[in-house]
Amino acid sequence: AAGVIQSPRHLIKEKRETATLKCYPIPRHDTVYWYQQGPGQDPQFLISFYEKMQSDKGSIPDRFSAQQFSDYHSELNMSSLELGDSALYFCASSLESGGPNEQYFGPGTRLTVT
Amino acid sequence: QKEVEQDPGPLSVPEGAIVSLNCTYSNSAFQYFMWYRQYSRKGPELLMYTYSSGNKEDGRFTAQVDKSSKYISLFIRDSQPSDSATYLCAMSAPSNTGKLIFGQGTTLQVKP
Repeated sequence: AAGVIQSPRHLIKEKRETATLKCYPIPRHDTVYWYQQGPGQDPQFLISFYEKMQSDKGSIPDRFSAQQFSDYHSELNMSSLELGDSALYFCASSLESGGPNEQYFGPGTRLTVT
Repeated sequence: QKEVEQDPGPLSVPEGAIVSLNCTYSNSAFQYFMWYRQYSRKGPELLMYTYSSGNKEDGRFTAQVDKSSKYISLFIRDSQPSDSATYLCAMSAPSNTGKLIFGQGTTLQVKP
């Protein structure tokens, strides 16, 4: 079965640079969530989109922005990168009209800021 | 204090043992309860999903929810070395627009 696709899988950036992470949800899934997982930490919710509209926002820095496109893929844009932004970034998708909150996670993008 | 508490372990058991993993939570609004398995450097994999209280069984896995005690459990029967991973509990409330609140994760090692 098709899963959530994230790209790139690994990304190395320097401080103050910009990064763009992409997420392609499972086909027919209309909701996308972004989570950040620091080393040894649990995933922390950043932001979510339902039908291309932002549906919720968590502890996402103002330096970060995201959107969901007409084909339901989503991009997380991160500017003025800081060392503390180094983490695993997961995208998850769900079908809003299906079983509530059954979120399926992608493999993640490992971002390293040097 | 975190909304969801989970003992990080590590938990080490012999192959074939019954494993019990637990989480407690403080937000009585949580209605949806999930268990995810995460292998090192991989994305969380949904194992079990439960709505409200009760039990749910899937193969060697059983999930239990006790809302009166704000306590959830995952039992793994006949544990295998391939079950060695970090197990994360996650919860959500109807008003939360689906965002998941995770526990810290319990690292499990099943020794052959």
